[in-house]
Amino acid sequence: NAGVTQTPKFRILKIGQSMTLQCTQDMNHNYMYWYRQDPGMGLKLIYYSVGAGITDKGEVPNGYNVSRSTTEDFPLRLELAAPSQTSVYFCASSYPDEQFFGPGTRLTVL
Amino acid sequence: DAKTTQPTSMDCAEGRAANLPCNHSTISGNEYVYWYRQIHSQGPQYIIHGLKNNETNEMASLIITEDRKSSTLILPHATLRDTAVYYCIVRTVSGTYKYIFGTGTRLKVLA
Repeated sequence: NAGVTQTPKFRILKIGQSMTLQCTQDMNHNYMYWYRQDPGMGLKLIYYSVGAGITDKGEVPNGYNVSRSTTEDFPLRLELAAPSQTSVYFCASSYPDEQFFGPGTRLTVL
Repeated sequence: DAKTTQPTSMDCAEGRAANLPCNHSTISGNEYVYWYRQIHSQGPQYIIHGLKNNETNEMASLIITEDRKSSTLILPHATLRDTAVYYCIVRTVSGTYKYIFGTGTRLKVLA
């Protein structure tokens, strides 16, 4: 099993650009999550999903959108990128207790 | 959601037990305590969780007080590779299994 994979690993965006962070898990987990981690801080929950077709907001959803059309994939969409979205983004999945995290995507918005 | 309070940082000598405290005084009767750690900039890693009884696995032990208002994670023989940020989390019971991470305890294991 590859576990949770995230692409890309690094990305630099200009203000106002959009992008999609990809997340895929091969463990057949129903629950998936997106977190962001700012330097020196803990993780903040952006969005989560309890199954295909079901998503809900976390602590810091503004500026992001998600979709969950399959069990495996949970992409995170950034519209109109802003410098405040510079962060490391982690995707995780669980079944449902223990969460398995991906390696993260380091995003810089300039 | 119940909040947790942890010390910002701790040091521990290599080979000694590392005892990491967590306060969760507003925990509800059916909320679990989870511990994760994050080594450098990697994704967090699950360590252990418990409800009211003490728990032990190959990585650590979790001691929860009888009133459940606090807990301690014990790494019995800390190694340099245990240097990490340790997060104590109380899980919501709404069925969504959301985790709310705090800022954690930065544990430094000293040679």
